[in-house]
Amino acid sequence: GAGVSQTPSNKVTEKGKYVELRCDPISGHTALYWYRQSLGQGPEFLIYFQGTGAADDSGLPNDRFFAVRPEGSVSTLKIQRTERGDSAVYLCASSPGTGSGNEQFFGPGTRLTVL
Amino acid sequence: KQEVTQIPAALSVPEGENLVLNCSFTDSAIYNLQWFRQDPGKGLTSLLLIQSSQREQTSGRLNASLDKSSGRSTLYIAASQPGDSATYLCAVGSNDYKLSFGAGTTVTVRA
Repeated sequence: GAGVSQTPSNKVTEKGKYVELRCDPISGHTALYWYRQSLGQGPEFLIYFQGTGAADDSGLPNDRFFAVRPEGSVSTLKIQRTERGDSAVYLCASSPGTGSGNEQFFGPGTRLTVL
Repeated sequence: KQEVTQIPAALSVPEGENLVLNCSFTDSAIYNLQWFRQDPGKGLTSLLLIQSSQREQTSGRLNASLDKSSGRSTLYIAASQPGDSATYLCAVGSNDYKLSFGAGTTVTVRA
C-alpha cells in the first residue's frame, strides 16, 4: 500500500511569509507525528496527534508554528511569519497506534528554505 | 530529557566487512528503540524496532541489540555492500509516542 506522503517536496519562501506543509499518513493509522531535521542532525519531535487532537505539542518551537488534523487523517503544519532559522526538512510520520510495539513510518519530508 | 549519542559520526569500510554502529542513551527507562536508514535527500526507512522487553531483533543481514541497563544499542550489518551506504539513525522511544534521535552515523561501503 501507499506510504506516508508529503507535499510539497520543496518549498522556498521569503522571510515573513506564511507556509503550509501537508502530510498524508498511511491509511488507517491513527497516530501522526511531525519532526524537524536540521542539516547534520537527527530529527526533533514537534507534535503528536492521536486522531483529530494534538495530544502533545510540546516540541513546537514557538507560537508561529501550528498544526491541525481536522478529520483524523491528513495533517497540515502551518508556519507564520517565517524566519531564516525555520529552514529545515520537515518530516511527517504515522503509526497504527501507540505503545512499545508500534513502528513509526516516515514520509520523504518537505525541505523548507526561508530566504 | 533523553540524550542520544551515536559514535562514530562517519565510517568507511571495504565491501564485505561487517559494520558495527553504536548508540547510547542517557535515560534507561525507554519504551522502545528504532533503527532507521536515511539516504541523501530522502526520508527515513525503518530497519528494526526493539521493544523494551526485548534484547535483540534480526532482519536478514541486520541485527540490533539492546542493553537498557547500560543505555546502549548496537546495530550489526553483516557482509556490507555498497548499497548499504547511507546514514543510520538510532531513535529512542521515551514514552509511547515520542522518539528522540541521535545525529546518525554516515556509512560508506567502498567497492
